Amino acid sequence: AQKVTQAQTEISVVEKEDVTLDCVYETRDTTYYLFWYKQPPSGELVFLIRRNSFDEQNEISGRYSWNFQKSTSSFNFTITASQVVDSAVYFCALSTDTGGFKTIFGAGTRLFVKA
Amino acid sequence: DAMVIQNPRYQVTQFGKPVTLSCSQTLNHNVMYWYQQKSSQAPKLLFHYYDKDFNNEADTPDNFQSRRPNTSFCFLDIRSPGLGDAAMYLCATSGSVTYNEQFFGPGTRLTVL
Repeated sequence: AQKVTQAQTEISVVEKEDVTLDCVYETRDTTYYLFWYKQPPSGELVFLIRRNSFDEQNEISGRYSWNFQKSTSSFNFTITASQVVDSAVYFCALSTDTGGFKTIFGAGTRLFVKA
Repeated sequence: DAMVIQNPRYQVTQFGKPVTLSCSQTLNHNVMYWYQQKSSQAPKLLFHYYDKDFNNEADTPDNFQSRRPNTSFCFLDIRSPGLGDAAMYLCATSGSVTYNEQFFGPGTRLTVL
């Protein structure tokens, strides 16, 4: 079975704080892909990053960074020096070669960044 | 700008009255998806098209149908909306390999009275 767990339902931080959003996944496939999407209040999901199962390198993009650890089946997302515009729901997602075009989304973490 | 457009953004219908939601894309992507998203939940895949090839999720109710007359357009038909069908409906597109990221439209919020 394939599953994505985002245990944090809501997180509230004050602007400029760092925040980490957790994501744990389950799959028996050896080839799989992990994603993070952002859903701001406007509604449309925006793609942030994709990682494949063979690439455990961490990635940094501006204030965003991602930590992929196969040993713990985790793909965590850190926002450094958070800003009010980071307030959104963030979804971690998983797709696999055997799953075809189906992407399994986690339940999402709602991030509130207060000024 | 290449994008995914959904119309209308808000749709109100009456219980049992058929409704059609539309999606168009300028990305020329092979794959188009329809998701249902209820409040504070993850998007739930209803079906997807690879070109004209239709793929229904096993748990998608028969009440939901879809049409894709050409590459650019895809429609979601709800034949007899129930109160439980009130949700945000998201259209997305992707390239032709399974690991491509998806590009989402802004969604249509459906209210059923």
